[in-house]
Amino acid sequence: EDQVTQSPEALRLQEGESSSLNCSYTVSGLRGLFWYRQDPGKGPEFLFTLYSAGEEKEKERLKATLTKKESFLHITAPKPEDSATYLCAVQAEETSGSRLTFGEGTQLTVNP
Amino acid sequence: ETGVTQTPRHLVMGMTNKKSLKCEQHLGHNAMYWYKQSAKKPLELMFVYNFKEQTENNSVPSRFSPECPNSSHLFLHLHTLQPEDSALYLCASSQLIPGPGAYNEQFFGPGTRLTVL
Repeated sequence: EDQVTQSPEALRLQEGESSSLNCSYTVSGLRGLFWYRQDPGKGPEFLFTLYSAGEEKEKERLKATLTKKESFLHITAPKPEDSATYLCAVQAEETSGSRLTFGEGTQLTVNP
Repeated sequence: ETGVTQTPRHLVMGMTNKKSLKCEQHLGHNAMYWYKQSAKKPLELMFVYNFKEQTENNSVPSRFSPECPNSSHLFLHLHTLQPEDSALYLCASSQLIPGPGAYNEQFFGPGTRLTVL
């Protein structure tokens, strides 16, 4: 069974204080790993897809990296508007092409 | 309208009521999904429709009944719900490409916050 574990559960940073969120996964062959951002009361917003170990993607202050067992979402010099819950999901090679397995998310708060 | 829209945004219903949630995607995708999101739990996949055909039913109770009349519209019909069904119900869509190596980037709507009294 595919599993996704995100840590920490919650993270509080000061504005400008860089940090990383972790997504550990167990899957029978990874087809893709996805990062989403979710604001309170809203649906998840797609951020990145990572396909293979060693790959990196960047968007503004966010950089996602991937290894064979985990992915990191690095946040450089965060701002209060980066406060949100960040979700990680995996798509396995052997399951149906439509299924994603999600983690519980990391709730990030950036204080001014 | 752009992206994925859902109506209503909020719904309060009694256990004996019948209501429906509506989702529409404006992205030209061929697959649509219903998810349930409860506090402190991962998103739970409920149903998947691919080219209007239901391809997954993730052991969802029969009090939830999906309908997909075309690849742009998805409904979730609700009847005799329980208080534990209170949650955020999310609709998503994606473009599924057959064959190996296809990636399933799903795009979500804003959700319907459902409260069952």
